[in-house]
Amino acid sequence: TQLLEQSPQFLSIQEGENLTVYCNSSSVFSSLQWYRQEPGEGPVLLVTVVTGGEVKKLKRLTFQFGDARKDSSLHITAAQPGDTGLYLCAGALGNQFYFGTGTSLTVIP
Amino acid sequence: SQTIHQWPATLVQPVGSPLSLECTVEGTSNPNLYWYRQAAGRGLQLLFYSVGIGQISSEVPQNLSASRPQDRQFILSSKKLLLSDSGFYLCAWSGDRGQAEAFFGQGTRLTVV
Repeated sequence: TQLLEQSPQFLSIQEGENLTVYCNSSSVFSSLQWYRQEPGEGPVLLVTVVTGGEVKKLKRLTFQFGDARKDSSLHITAAQPGDTGLYLCAGALGNQFYFGTGTSLTVIP
Repeated sequence: SQTIHQWPATLVQPVGSPLSLECTVEGTSNPNLYWYRQAAGRGLQLLFYSVGIGQISSEVPQNLSASRPQDRQFILSSKKLLLSDSGFYLCAWSGDRGQAEAFFGQGTRLTVV
């Protein structure tokens, strides 16, 4: 069962462009995490959002948790080639983490 | 600081052979431990999780099993591998006090031939 759906699945943009990745669910989560993963490596945690409506910024990355704690978005401003990777959202329910379907981002120099 | 070690990084095994992947965590006690499998470029499927020694929960029926013989050790096993067991396997840990963040090992690329 896939609790979290991400869109788009693939994204290829030019360096300097902005982009938004969405993570949607019909379930309510106690918190939501965003990870970035490079090929052949484990996912690396970027941020955790806990409160409905919460917004967190990490340099050029802005993360938002939906008011109902069912969805989230990741916005990248002025994308750089170093942002290339697989972006995963994950929702926490009790002791378990349910991962989204992933968004593969390629930033072209 | 906490660290997680997972090995081996890559493994090629024939069909029908056994499997043992090991994961250990350092710098924390009583962690929650997880095994995930990931299809290429896609999300993670939870296979097993454990909240304590000897306590294993399975999410999906499969050819694999997990064990937690020590507090910070988590092992993924199979008696006889299938071709469909090929994939990228990831071990992760999280705190046991409601800290909703998972931290991952480097992963194991398993190819069953």
